[in-house]
Amino acid sequence: GAVVSQHPSWVICKSGTSVKIECRSLDFQATTMFWYRQFPKQSLMLMATSNEGSKATYEQGVEKDKFLINHASLTLSTLTVTSAHPEDSSFYICSARGEDGVPYEQYFGPGTRLTVT
Amino acid sequence: GENVEQHPSTLSVQEGDSAVIKCTYSDSASNYFPWYKQELGKGPQLIIDIRSNVGEKKDQRIAVTLNKTAKHFSLHITETQPEDSAVYFCAAPQAGTALIFGKGTTLSVSS
Repeated sequence: GAVVSQHPSWVICKSGTSVKIECRSLDFQATTMFWYRQFPKQSLMLMATSNEGSKATYEQGVEKDKFLINHASLTLSTLTVTSAHPEDSSFYICSARGEDGVPYEQYFGPGTRLTVT
Repeated sequence: GENVEQHPSTLSVQEGDSAVIKCTYSDSASNYFPWYKQELGKGPQLIIDIRSNVGEKKDQRIAVTLNKTAKHFSLHITETQPEDSAVYFCAAPQAGTALIFGKGTTLSVSS
């Protein structure tokens, strides 16, 4: 149980275009989902926290107009990178916390590799 | 907010040896401490976690110890195997919500 999927697993896009990444909890309902970014050989950096039906909370330094997060249902959150630039190239990972799960316990998706050319 | 420090950044051991990775945290209110294993190109996988009401937890070759007074917790892997080679991250909760991760430890197990 507690499986989180991401789609796509990798994507290449041209500078200036937008890319949408989906995060789904497959066998549980996730009231809260988190988005992380990971650069090569670095740790996971929290970008934002999204709660179903409400606006996402962004970490300091993360541009909310550039990284649009939507958590429209208890099983789906999306991250849209708008007007992507090469410096946005990174590994984006989502995680989900269950509706009635143990506090703080998070299940991670497999990640999405974004390359902006 | 929470700050998590992790050491060492790299660790090389021979197969069969033990490996220990240590983390410290700053928020004394934190009460949940997970460890994740990440293989190249994949998302982190939870391998063990501990809550503040216990001092140690064990799962086969993996154990985690917690010292709340000193605000540090450690991952212990015994009888290491080549498939244990990966990056390991510790984490602690920030303000009761998201997890804040340490910088990671690259473990290399040579046969």
